[in-house]
Amino acid sequence: LAKTTQPISMDSYEGQEVNITCSHNNIATNDYITWYQQFPSQGPRFIIQGYKTKVTNEVASLFIPADRKSSTLSLPRVSLSDTAVYYCLVGAPDDKIIFGKGTRLHILP
Amino acid sequence: DGGITQSPKYLFRKEGQNVTLSCEQNLNHDAMYWYRQDPGQGLRLIYYSQIVNDFQKGDIAEGYSVSREKKESFPLTVTSAQKNPTAFYLCASTDTGESYGYTFGSGTRLTVV
Repeated sequence: LAKTTQPISMDSYEGQEVNITCSHNNIATNDYITWYQQFPSQGPRFIIQGYKTKVTNEVASLFIPADRKSSTLSLPRVSLSDTAVYYCLVGAPDDKIIFGKGTRLHILP
Repeated sequence: DGGITQSPKYLFRKEGQNVTLSCEQNLNHDAMYWYRQDPGQGLRLIYYSQIVNDFQKGDIAEGYSVSREKKESFPLTVTSAQKNPTAFYLCASTDTGESYGYTFGSGTRLTVV
């Protein structure tokens, strides 16, 4: 299973674009990259998933370079409600997925 | 709407008692998982099941037991052998197709006094 490394915490201001980078140097050929968001006392919520290049949905964008050894979650124009923990996960469909401690994002007014 | 239901949301038990946490899904997902989360920490895998009547231990299975008699249900029993059972417990399921994404329940906060 590919191990991931992401910042422990980040601060940003309302209206800013936030980029959270995740390193996964040992990613395997059949691994996908998935990001989740978790609010206190709730289960994590799926944000976005990608395999290569760029993926965009109504919530975020995911940028994956050609070597796939890292990925960047981009949240456009954040608000206070985006304050949460963000997890980067790497694995194949049948893998037992390991959650790290994630990145604690704090949005300031 | 499809989803995962965990019950109860809050649970209090006396030390030494076994307690069972419920997890039901109507997503027709094959795989189901139980995680434990302690304050300020990530999720740690307790048990998982990829098919009915089969399950595997995760990283912290000691003191816990599970069953998977139906595809929709994956109950977790916290036994008296679990030394520090107070925690937030999360159930998840996933489709083991080409791409994947976990769907989580809203969690059960267990407090043992």
